[in-house]
Amino acid sequence: NAGVTQTPKFQVLKTGQSMTLQCAQDMNHEYMSWYRQDPGMGLRLIHYSVGAGITDQGEVPNGYNVSRSTTEDFPLRLLSAAPSQTSVYFCASRYQGGNTGELFFGEGSRLTVL
Amino acid sequence: TQLLEQSPQFLSIQEGENLTVYCNSSSVFSSLQWYRQEPGEGPVLLVTVVTGGEVKKLKRLTFQFGDARKDSSLHITAAQPGDTGLYLCAGRNFGNEKLTFGTGTRLTIIP
Repeated sequence: NAGVTQTPKFQVLKTGQSMTLQCAQDMNHEYMSWYRQDPGMGLRLIHYSVGAGITDQGEVPNGYNVSRSTTEDFPLRLLSAAPSQTSVYFCASRYQGGNTGELFFGEGSRLTVL
Repeated sequence: TQLLEQSPQFLSIQEGENLTVYCNSSSVFSSLQWYRQEPGEGPVLLVTVVTGGEVKKLKRLTFQFGDARKDSSLHITAAQPGDTGLYLCAGRNFGNEKLTFGTGTRLTIIP
C-alpha cells in the first residue's frame, strides 16, 4: 500500500522562487493536512482540508497556498520562497469525523531556501 | 494558538532504565494521541486516549490521560535501544478537526 506519498523528498530554492510540494493519498481519506517541522517546535499546522473543494488555515498559513480539487491530492504551493520557510514539510491524512482517528503521514519533504 | 509543552525536550538514558515523558497544556482536549517519529520518516501513531484518567498499555509503554484532560504522560519500563526516537503528543479540541502537536521529546537509549 502506498499510503501518503510526498514529492519531492528534497528541494533547494533561491529566495523568491516558487514551487509546489505534491501530496497524494490512496486511502480515500476525507481529511488532509500540511505540517512543517522545525527543531524544538514539534509539528505546526499550515493548512488543512476536510474534503474536495474545502480548505482552511492552520497555525502558520502565511506564505503558503493550498487547493483540493480531488479527494486524493492536496498540493502545497510556495509563491515566493523565503529563508524562514526552510523546514521539513509533512503531509498527513485521516478519515473525517470522530476524535480518535489516526493521522497517516508521508515521509516528508526537506526544503532549503537560500 | 494553544500550546502543548513536552518535557523533557531531550532525554538520554541507559538501556534497562525507566523513564517518563510529560505533555502539558492549559487547554482541555477531547482526545490525545502519542506518536513516535524515526529519522527520515513521518510520525506513526502509538496510542489514542479519550477518557479523563484513562490508562493504556502497549507492551512496555504506559500512557495516561490526565483527569482534567489537559495533560498526559508516557512511561517506558526497561527502555531498549529500539525505543529511540522523537515522541510527540497531539491533542484535539471538541468539535475541531485540527490536531495540535506538542514540542516533542527526543529520546536516546544507550546500549
